[in-house]
Amino acid sequence: GESVGLHLPTLSVQEGDNSIINCAYSNSASDYFIWYKQESGKGPQFIIDIRSNMDKRQGQRVTVLLNKTVKHLSLQIAATQPGDSAVYFCAETSVYNQGGKLIFGQGTELSVKP
Amino acid sequence: AAGVIQSPRHLIKEKRETATLKCYPIPRHDTVYWYQQGPGQDPQFLISFYEKMQSDKGSIPDRFSAQQFSDYHSELNMSSLELGDSALYFCASSRTGVNSPLHFGNGTRLTVT
Repeated sequence: GESVGLHLPTLSVQEGDNSIINCAYSNSASDYFIWYKQESGKGPQFIIDIRSNMDKRQGQRVTVLLNKTVKHLSLQIAATQPGDSAVYFCAETSVYNQGGKLIFGQGTELSVKP
Repeated sequence: AAGVIQSPRHLIKEKRETATLKCYPIPRHDTVYWYQQGPGQDPQFLISFYEKMQSDKGSIPDRFSAQQFSDYHSELNMSSLELGDSALYFCASSRTGVNSPLHFGNGTRLTVT
């Protein structure tokens, strides 16, 4: 069913450290996954995506890992900066479901200490 | 680059009133989505439109309706507002195809008093 996030997990890291944010997704049929960053008062902002035929994808300072066996996603942020402080959501859908909904996982609040 | 535009940014209504939220998608995006986000919660899918036809429906109350117009902008109409409707409402758009993430607007904060 739909994920419900009532209590946001929090991750606190020191500036310059690497951050790892984890997410469990719900639908085995999902084949497209996206990480979003949401700052206070703003909409979710696209960070990086990955299709189910891959298990790793790298962007600028970010890496997404996908483990389909256990339905798990992770987002790694290298050299975390204060500007990375935000709530991070993973989301799942199917690329073949035209106009279909994107289901969000429980967000994680990242706090970066200078 | 052009982003998803939502209006108004803030809206205050009383119980039982109606509200209309507007969304202007990114040019050439053919799909529009509406999401509701309560405090400390993940965005919950309400409804989506592909090429002006409803394409998927989530947990949208019967009191709410939405449509997508010929210029691809979309409106979410909310009637008989309840206190529990207070939330952030996001619109997102995408261009159908492989590897096409949703791009979100900055939302409308609806407060029902």
